[in-house]
Amino acid sequence: GAVVSQHPSWVICKSGTSVKIECRSLDFQATTMFWYRQFPKQSLMLMATSNEGSKATYEQGVEKDKFLINHASLTLSTLTVTSAHPEDSSFYICSARDVGRVLNTEAFFGQGTRLTVV
Amino acid sequence: AQTVTQSQPEMSVQEAETVTLSCTYDTSESDYYLFWYKQPPSRQMILVIRQEAYKQQNATENRFSVNFQKAAKSFSLKISDSQLGDAAMYFCAYVTSNTGKLIFGQGTTLQVKP
Repeated sequence: GAVVSQHPSWVICKSGTSVKIECRSLDFQATTMFWYRQFPKQSLMLMATSNEGSKATYEQGVEKDKFLINHASLTLSTLTVTSAHPEDSSFYICSARDVGRVLNTEAFFGQGTRLTVV
Repeated sequence: AQTVTQSQPEMSVQEAETVTLSCTYDTSESDYYLFWYKQPPSRQMILVIRQEAYKQQNATENRFSVNFQKAAKSFSLKISDSQLGDAAMYFCAYVTSNTGKLIFGQGTTLQVKP
């Protein structure tokens, strides 16, 4: 199956700093990637849709200036949490769809990034 | 707006027994797809089974099968011969052709007792 690599797996940062999370499709091209946030024992909440070569589409309630998304190539999307605060601590997961497959094929997920802001 | 509801926060099953996880959804779309994902303690999302809405036949993958009731907008997952490795959080998910966005239910934590 297709592989999505997310880096880092975990990160601890100081309050007020920025953190960048990378999501790479290793063996396929992805024009669209999705970023989710998950609190412990809760569901995945879609934050934004990342489109290669264009601006990301954010879900209602998600701060665009807080969560910067860049999708510069068909294999890489990045999520930058700017001026992080403890309430941003969470588990962030990306997923990607293979442009070469039909839509009903599953989205491929990265392994997630656990962010802790201290 | 599309919604997915899982009304069972936790379920428990004896090893080798069968368990059914419930899921309902709400949509006005006619072209969509439904999935069950498993999230073990590692938190890696794993696809368990998928169902195309236009197919009447229920999907089956080894010990996993679904009961898809389109008119009732119900999509339950049956796990037969439960194994200890099935213990995880299970999410029901929905996607439409025009958006490609996965909408997840709240999740059901499945415990498998030896």
